[in-house]
Amino acid sequence: NAGVTQTPKFRVLKTGQSMTLLCAQDMNHEYMYWYRQDPGMGLRLIHYSVGEGTTAKGEVPDGYNVSRLKKQNFLLGLESAAPSQTSVYFCASSEGQGPGTQYFGPGTRLLVL
Amino acid sequence: GNSVTQMEGPVTLSEEAFLTINCTYTATGYPSLFWYVQYPGEGLQLLLKATKADDKGSNKGFEATYRKETTSFHLEKGSVQVSDSAVYFCASDSGGGADGLTFGKGTHLIIQP
Repeated sequence: NAGVTQTPKFRVLKTGQSMTLLCAQDMNHEYMYWYRQDPGMGLRLIHYSVGEGTTAKGEVPDGYNVSRLKKQNFLLGLESAAPSQTSVYFCASSEGQGPGTQYFGPGTRLLVL
Repeated sequence: GNSVTQMEGPVTLSEEAFLTINCTYTATGYPSLFWYVQYPGEGLQLLLKATKADDKGSNKGFEATYRKETTSFHLEKGSVQVSDSAVYFCASDSGGGADGLTFGKGTHLIIQP
C-alpha cells in the first residue's frame, strides 16, 4: 500500500513551458486535492475533486488546470509556467464527506526560471 | 471564509521542556480541527484531530483541545524530544469536509539536546 505518490519529485521549467504533475492514490479515496506550499504562507488549496470526473476551484486556481479521469489519479497542469509558480506542490486524498483525515504525498518541488 | 492563525517560529526549546503552540481559528460553521506535522523533505502527516467542541485529540504525547468559546486549538506536549523537531501546521475544514483544509502558516519547532 503506497498511499499517495507524486511524480516527478523535482522539476525545473523555463517561463512559458508547460508540464503536468501526477498524483496517484491506492486507498480508493473519493476526494483528492492539490495544494501549494510557499515560505511563510502555509499550504493553499489550488483545486480539488470530490469524485471521478469532477473538479472544483480552490483558493488559488489561476494558472492551473486539473483533471480526474480515473478515481485513483489527479493531474495538475501548468499550461504556461511563470516564476510565481515556483513552489512545492502537495497532493492529498481523503475518504469522502465528513471530517476525514487527508493523506499527503511527498511533494513535487518546481522551479520556474 | 475560514482562517487559521498560529504562532510563527522558529520556536527553540531544550529537550524535556514543555511545549505550547498556539492556534486560533475563525469559521462560519462547525469545523473539525487538525494538527499536521511535516518533517524535513517529507509531506504532511496527521498528528491529531478533534471534530467537535471540548474534544481532545492526542497522539505521541501531543494533545490539543477544541475550545469553541476561545476558538482555539493549542498544541501541547509535556516533554519534547529532539525527534519532535519539525514544522507543525494547524488546520480547519469547512465543516462538510469536501472543499479542502485551511492551514495556518506553520510553526518551525527546533529541539536542542
